[in-house]
Amino acid sequence: EAGVTQSPTHLIKTRGQQATLRCSPISGHTSVYWYQQALGLGLQFLLWYDEGEERNRGNFPPRFSGRQFPNYSSELNVNALELEDSALYLCASSPTDTRGTQYFGPGTRLLVL
Amino acid sequence: GENVEQHPSTLSVQEGDSAVIKCTYSDSASNYFPWYKQELGKRPQLIIDIRSNVGEKKDQRIAVTLNKTAKHFSLHITETQPEDSAVYFCAASMGYALNFGKGTSLLVTP
Repeated sequence: EAGVTQSPTHLIKTRGQQATLRCSPISGHTSVYWYQQALGLGLQFLLWYDEGEERNRGNFPPRFSGRQFPNYSSELNVNALELEDSALYLCASSPTDTRGTQYFGPGTRLLVL
Repeated sequence: GENVEQHPSTLSVQEGDSAVIKCTYSDSASNYFPWYKQELGKRPQLIIDIRSNVGEKKDQRIAVTLNKTAKHFSLHITETQPEDSAVYFCAASMGYALNFGKGTSLLVTP
């Protein structure tokens, strides 16, 4: 069974630009979560999508947004990039019946210059 | 919101010794407590989890205990091996978002 996949692996942007990160969940998983792992700050919850809808978001500004497609894959968009957005962005998926159990993808490392 | 504290931040043990990592949480509504292992440059990997209706769970050399009254849970690794060296994260959840501790860097020396 294929695990969670993310693309691209690395992304370099300049301040003020927009970044788009993609995630494909494990087959059969309907929930997708996004987390930010910045140096010294640990893993912080960004967004939760389930059945195509945004269900919950963490303490991040509205320039962090995303969507979930009918095939349950997801996209994270970060607008007006700031230097402090540099981090590893991790996607996780879980099945609907055990939502807490999450499996992570390899992440996208975003560098904002 | 939920606040998860994790201690210690670094832990060094000799091969064959036991390692214990402790976490506390603030929201009594949390009912799911997973532990993840993250090796350098790799994704967090779920190693064991426990739900609030269970006090202890064991999987080979790894065990987790939960004290709901005190709102703390612990990871125990016995007979540590060099390949156990990694950063370990605890988390607490009410069934969706995971609230993570800041991690424990475990070093197992031969």
